[in-house]
Amino acid sequence: DAGVTQSPTHLIKTRGQHVTLRCSPISGHKSVSWYQQVLGQGPQFIFQYYEKEERGRGNFPDRFSARQFPNYSSELNVNALLLGDSALYLCASITSGGLGEQFFGPGTRLTVL
Amino acid sequence: LAKTTQPISMDSYEGQEVNITCSHNNIATNDYITWYQQFPSQGPRFIIQGYKTKVTNEVASLFIPADRKSSTLSLPRVSLSDTAVYYCLVVDNNAGNMLTFGGGTRLMVKP
Repeated sequence: DAGVTQSPTHLIKTRGQHVTLRCSPISGHKSVSWYQQVLGQGPQFIFQYYEKEERGRGNFPDRFSARQFPNYSSELNVNALLLGDSALYLCASITSGGLGEQFFGPGTRLTVL
Repeated sequence: LAKTTQPISMDSYEGQEVNITCSHNNIATNDYITWYQQFPSQGPRFIIQGYKTKVTNEVASLFIPADRKSSTLSLPRVSLSDTAVYYCLVVDNNAGNMLTFGGGTRLMVKP
């Protein structure tokens, strides 16, 4: 079975640009969460979606948005990129909206110049 | 959300047992204790989860005292490939799967 997949693996953008990151959860998983991990720190929660609805939002500015599609894949969008947005963006999938193991993808490494 | 405190780093040698302790003084009734492992440039990987007493799986054991204010992850006979960052998390059963990661413990296993 394929695990969580994310694309692209690496991305370089300049300040002020917009970026879209994509995630496909494990087959059968209906919930997707997004995390930002700055170098040397633990991942920080950005969003969670379950059955295409937002179930949780972390302490991130409105420049960050996300959505989930009918096939449960998800996109994370970041507008007006700042240097501080440079990070590893992780997607995690879980079987349901309740407590359980989260399966993380390999991440997308975003560099903002 | 309960905050966790764990050592910033630990060193060990191949074949030794490693115990990483985490404190979570403000743990709530609905909270579960969960540990993740992360290798460089990879996403975290679930290791083990427990509520109280002892939990064991093929990878590790988790010891939780009666007051639940701390927990210890035990890795038996570590190898070089166990070098990673280990995160202790307190997961609220009602929080919709929002995981709150701290800084983790960087474990270095030496030959």
